[in-house]
Amino acid sequence: DAGVTQSPTHLIKTRGQQVTLRCSPKSGHDTVSWYQQALGQGPQFIFQYYEEEERQRGNFPDRFSGHQFPNYSSELNVNALLLGDSALYLCASSFRPSGRALTDTQYFGPGTRLTVL
Amino acid sequence: AQSVAQPEDQVNVAEGNPLTVKCTYSVSGNPYLFWYVQYPNRGLQFLLKYITGDNLVKGSYGFEAEFNKSQTSFHLKKPSALVSDSALYFCAVRDGGDYKLSFGAGTTVTVRA
Repeated sequence: DAGVTQSPTHLIKTRGQQVTLRCSPKSGHDTVSWYQQALGQGPQFIFQYYEEEERQRGNFPDRFSGHQFPNYSSELNVNALLLGDSALYLCASSFRPSGRALTDTQYFGPGTRLTVL
Repeated sequence: AQSVAQPEDQVNVAEGNPLTVKCTYSVSGNPYLFWYVQYPNRGLQFLLKYITGDNLVKGSYGFEAEFNKSQTSFHLKKPSALVSDSALYFCAVRDGGDYKLSFGAGTTVTVRA
């Protein structure tokens, strides 16, 4: 059973460019969350997608956007890249039965290392 | 608002000795607490979680954690540390009504042979 997969592994961009990161959730999972982990820090929540809609968003500018597809995979898009966007971007997937409390566990992928020059 | 504090940046122990990694949290509702481990250049690996019930939670690789509501703590423990336990450990909390996880800054554990 494959876990959460992310692509690409590494990416180098220049300031002002746009980037798209991809995530495939763990089999049976329907929810995808994205996190940014800057060097030496804990992951920071960007947003979560469920049923192809953004369900919750963290404190990130509109330059960060996402999408979830019918097969539950997801993309994270970042426009107008800044040097400060350099980080490890983590995707996490989970499954929560309808009507249940938020006790689901988020399982993380290996991440995409983005470097902005 | 929810937040997590990991008061120690680094923990150093000898192999075979007990390992404790500290975590305190703040939430407005019911806390759901998690521990993850991260190896170099890797994603986060789930260790264990507390939702409700028994305050002592057992997880993967011999790790356990104790939930203490009065002290708002959720310390990670392992009775006998291994060199392979050397990694970066993150505590995370989810407020009962929230979807996101809020992470601490992490604690680097080094187990010397």
